Amino acid sequence: AQTVTQSQPEMSVQEAETVTLSCTYDTSESDYYLFWYKQPPSRQMILVIRQEAYKQQNATENRFSVNFQKAAKSFSLKISDSQLGDAAMYFCAYRSAPDSNYQLIWGAGTKLIIKP
Amino acid sequence: NAGVTQTPKFQVLKTGQSMTLQCAQDMNHEYMSWYRQDPGMGLRLIHYSVGAGITDQGEVPNGYNVSRSTTEDFPLRLLSAAPSQTSVYFCASSRTPGNSPLHFGNGTRLTVT
Repeated sequence: AQTVTQSQPEMSVQEAETVTLSCTYDTSESDYYLFWYKQPPSRQMILVIRQEAYKQQNATENRFSVNFQKAAKSFSLKISDSQLGDAAMYFCAYRSAPDSNYQLIWGAGTKLIIKP
Repeated sequence: NAGVTQTPKFQVLKTGQSMTLQCAQDMNHEYMSWYRQDPGMGLRLIHYSVGAGITDQGEVPNGYNVSRSTTEDFPLRLLSAAPSQTSVYFCASSRTPGNSPLHFGNGTRLTVT
């Protein structure tokens, strides 16, 4: 079974600086998708960025980028120029491409604190 | 554009009571699902549906029922609430069952005493 591990329960960063959140996963499949979701205090889950495993190029969305290392099964999220609004729980998630129930497998989350 | 709407936002039940968590989406999404979120854990899939009239079990289905009579609605029923069902419940939908991103509701915090 696939698993997703986020080894940092909490991270803090000074406003305007860069922070990297770690995520590793375990799978025997070659085709899958990886996601980072943000959960602010409002509780809603918001998609931050998505990566298809067959794409070697790392995904980027404005200040958010990933470092996808398929062989190492690592999928870290880099947030540049951190802003107060980035404070939230961040979840890494995995979805098998041929999966029969399209389930997302989630990590336990990393709480990101932004220091003004 | 409302997206995914969940009601209620909060609910307290006594052990043995039943209730229905409502979920509606207005994006004509084929795929809908229910997850629960427990402290220190990621979300876990309860039930899902790939279209009207089609439902199936996820990772933690026991104690829950679902139905999908229309494309828009996907209610989650707790048959006989137990303290172990205290959690935050999320409904999520996507355009197709594949790699389309999930759109989440705002969640329902359920406490069972």
